[in-house]
Amino acid sequence: QKEVEQNSGPLSVPEGAIASLNCTYSDRGSQSFFWYRQYSGKSPELIMSIYSNGDKEDGRFTAQLNKASQYVSLLIRDSQPSDSATYLCAAKEPGGYNKLIFGAGTRLAVHP
Amino acid sequence: KAGVTQTPRYLIKTRGQQVTLSCSPISGHRSVSWYQQTPGQGLQFLFEYFSETQRNKGNFPGRFSGRQFSNSRSEMNVSTLELGDSALYLCASSLEGVGVSGANVLTFGAGSRLTVL
Repeated sequence: QKEVEQNSGPLSVPEGAIASLNCTYSDRGSQSFFWYRQYSGKSPELIMSIYSNGDKEDGRFTAQLNKASQYVSLLIRDSQPSDSATYLCAAKEPGGYNKLIFGAGTRLAVHP
Repeated sequence: KAGVTQTPRYLIKTRGQQVTLSCSPISGHRSVSWYQQTPGQGLQFLFEYFSETQRNKGNFPGRFSGRQFSNSRSEMNVSTLELGDSALYLCASSLEGVGVSGANVLTFGAGSRLTVL
């Protein structure tokens, strides 16, 4: 059973702090990884995609991938109350075309 | 550029009925995937269509089916509804390609929330 594991949270951070979200995956053949943000009652929206080991930065967001450890993370700098949402980590199934395996999501709460 | 459009947004059905959900992908996107989201199971892959062909299927019973039309629009059908089918059904489209910016990244629609009574 291919799995993506995330801590369900909630992860509570003060406004302006760095939020660190983590994810592990079981299929060593996975090559593509995604972070989606989902507000309550809304659909997931893509935050970041990452395909190579190392860091990828986009504004306040940094995704990190370590394929040897089968570990993906998302850092949110200068967290804002509007960042409060559930963050879903997903891995593309090898050979599965566009099939994504999603983690259960980590709920982030940024308090003023 | 219009996003992924799903209809209907909300619907209520009773056990034993069937339901058809529709999805119009982003213009130019030929891949359409369907996911079911429930509080207990999270987001689970149902199936993916590309050029009117189902090219991947998740672990759902045969009551769940889908199809894709020549204009890339897709429908999914659930027959003989059960209480456990109550969920948010999400459609996602993607642009196919190698080395194409944004290719193979899923963009989700707003979803169709199904309640089975």
